[in-house]
Amino acid sequence: DIVMTQSPDSLAVSLGERATINCKSSQSVLYNSNNRDYLAWYQKKPGQPPKLLIYWASTRQSGVPDRFSGSGSGTDFTLTISSLQAEDVGVYYCQQYYSPPWTFGQGTKVEIK
Amino acid sequence: QVHLVQSGAEVKKPGASVKVSCKASGYTFNSHDINWVRQATGQGLEWMGWLNPANGNAGYAQKFQGRVTFTRDTSTSTAYMELSSLKSEDAGVYYCARSDCTNSRCEYHFDFWGQGTLVTVSS
Repeated sequence: DIVMTQSPDSLAVSLGERATINCKSSQSVLYNSNNRDYLAWYQKKPGQPPKLLIYWASTRQSGVPDRFSGSGSGTDFTLTISSLQAEDVGVYYCQQYYSPPWTFGQGTKVEIK
Repeated sequence: QVHLVQSGAEVKKPGASVKVSCKASGYTFNSHDINWVRQATGQGLEWMGWLNPANGNAGYAQKFQGRVTFTRDTSTSTAYMELSSLKSEDAGVYYCARSDCTNSRCEYHFDFWGQGTLVTVSS
């Protein structure tokens, strides 16, 4: 199984400041045949289901604010919230869909400083 | 718009089985795989497997093989997840989630999710 490891486990950021979350996969999730990284990011708030933010490592899901961006390739990925808003508080998960079983990172909790 | 509506909370004894439903609306049920993801109490997200509603084919994560069964009723656009031999570690919230599919090709990031079903396992 591909192990997804996120860092940090939690971070506190001031409103309007940048938040950066890292995700590392135990093997590459880049499919050479189509040059796509099979990596997604989700936001989860208490009492709500996860919400898809980013897929193909950097494609923003429809309706997701452009302050959310994804980058990286191969085994190392980053989710950036360029200007943290109060409604962005929650837990963020990366997920690989390169090889089953699809696996998630352990989550990164984002709070307001 | 797309909705996945799950059945209500369940309380089960250890060793029992639980069956959770996921009713889809707002899209063609047969065109998107349904996945089941759980968040055990205090844990992260864990993918359990997938179901192809068009033909009923299913695939299960090895951890759940032999203990979980996915079925569907196309007449009501409802998918089901049944987990047997429940243990205390199975307590948590179970989600159905739709694969992002286009022209019969599915990618396993999940664009729509059910609201979750809380399963409590207690003697």
